[in-house]
Amino acid sequence: DADVTQTPRNRITKTGKRIMLECSQTKGHDRMYWYRQDPGLGLRLIYYSFDVKDINKGEISDGYSVSRQAQAKFSLSLESAIPNQTALYFCATSDLRTGETGELFFGEGSRLTVL
Amino acid sequence: GQNIDQPTEMTATEGAIVQINCTYQTSGFNGLFWYQQHAGEAPTFLSYNVLDGLEEKGRFSSFLSRSKGYSYLLLKELQMKDSASYLCAVMDSNYQLIWGAGTKLIIKP
Repeated sequence: DADVTQTPRNRITKTGKRIMLECSQTKGHDRMYWYRQDPGLGLRLIYYSFDVKDINKGEISDGYSVSRQAQAKFSLSLESAIPNQTALYFCATSDLRTGETGELFFGEGSRLTVL
Repeated sequence: GQNIDQPTEMTATEGAIVQINCTYQTSGFNGLFWYQQHAGEAPTFLSYNVLDGLEEKGRFSSFLSRSKGYSYLLLKELQMKDSASYLCAVMDSNYQLIWGAGTKLIIKP
């Protein structure tokens, strides 16, 4: 089983619908992230969380919200989806305790299409 | 502002060697990462450099010069499965990762 699991893997929805992407991890990491990836633009950070009580906006947080339900769970919501939110979304975790590099471990991705 | 530059696309021949460059300007430096990403898949970790010099791991090597804000990823004995995008990322003084847009590597027989 994957250490970082995203659901759903693929989703097609309509403009204006509410969408939730879920992420769970078994790595025991405190830090979790949501990225979106568009062709030619690389990875862009949406939100990140360093522990259950800590939520921070990334560079492109407008139109998104997150919830850190537990150390192992971090969900991303689109309250009212729009077509330019069509993208590949990745959840990731990291560990910056002493001796760790801060390497990111990624989920398999959630491909979202907004019509 | 913070910036990571790497070539958009490169082409190489199976069995050859290719070097993918990455230059960066960031607020502080806490390490540089290289990731490989096949189309439609998640990025996977390749290497980490925090001190100047060359780190070798099998067919892949990564070099860092902090004074020049420069790194490269060297891939030897290229195989068709090496066709992928290669992402350079720098961890800044706040331990945030700054990502380059990635280099798409095309391997030809």
